[in-house]
Amino acid sequence: GEDVEQSLFLSVREGDSSVINCTYTDSSSTYLYWYKQEPGAGLQLLTYIFSNMDMKQDQRLTVLLNKKDKHLSLRIADTQTGDSAIYFCAERDSGNTGKLIFGQGTTLQVKP
Amino acid sequence: NAGVTQTPKFRVLKTGQSMTLLCAQDMNHEYMYWYRQDPGMGLRLIHYSVGEGTTAKGEVPDGYNVSRLKKQNFLLGLESAAPSQTSVYFCASKLAGVSPYEQYFGPGTRLTVT
Repeated sequence: GEDVEQSLFLSVREGDSSVINCTYTDSSSTYLYWYKQEPGAGLQLLTYIFSNMDMKQDQRLTVLLNKKDKHLSLRIADTQTGDSAIYFCAERDSGNTGKLIFGQGTTLQVKP
Repeated sequence: NAGVTQTPKFRVLKTGQSMTLLCAQDMNHEYMYWYRQDPGMGLRLIHYSVGEGTTAKGEVPDGYNVSRLKKQNFLLGLESAAPSQTSVYFCASKLAGVSPYEQYFGPGTRLTVT
């Protein structure tokens, strides 16, 4: 079945770049998403990428997609303490129900 | 717009008790979803609905029932709560269609079953 994998924890210093990685299994996924969850809150969409794209940039965020290896990454430039959160990678189910398959989430810790 | 709201925010149940979690959205979204979040496991889909009066099972439906009698509401029921259902429950909604419409999430309900 479909599966999405992420490493569980990443620690960086303020001002450094953070790179969060994700692998997925469903090659027919049309869209891949990055969501952010702050403590005690729901998930908020950060960005998404269409499966026929290699890269998408949005201010401090850069998403890279390697379809051959089914690998997705999220780079956060100039990481700030306010970026500390859990980041979820998700692939959209290939059916028409809009279902998302989430990874386990990567906890990003930003040290001052 | 309030977006997606969930009631209650916190609840403690004893094993065997029942309860209903309410999700409401005011964005006129067709699709709604219930997830549970457990440490190290991400979000797992319990049930979902693609329209009023329709529901379908997700990845982990056992022990839960749902109803979508009104477009704006999606109810999640636990008939006989078990400690394994201790979790944080999130509701989400989205527009129908193949475009990359995002799922909007509620703030969550933290449920503890003792």
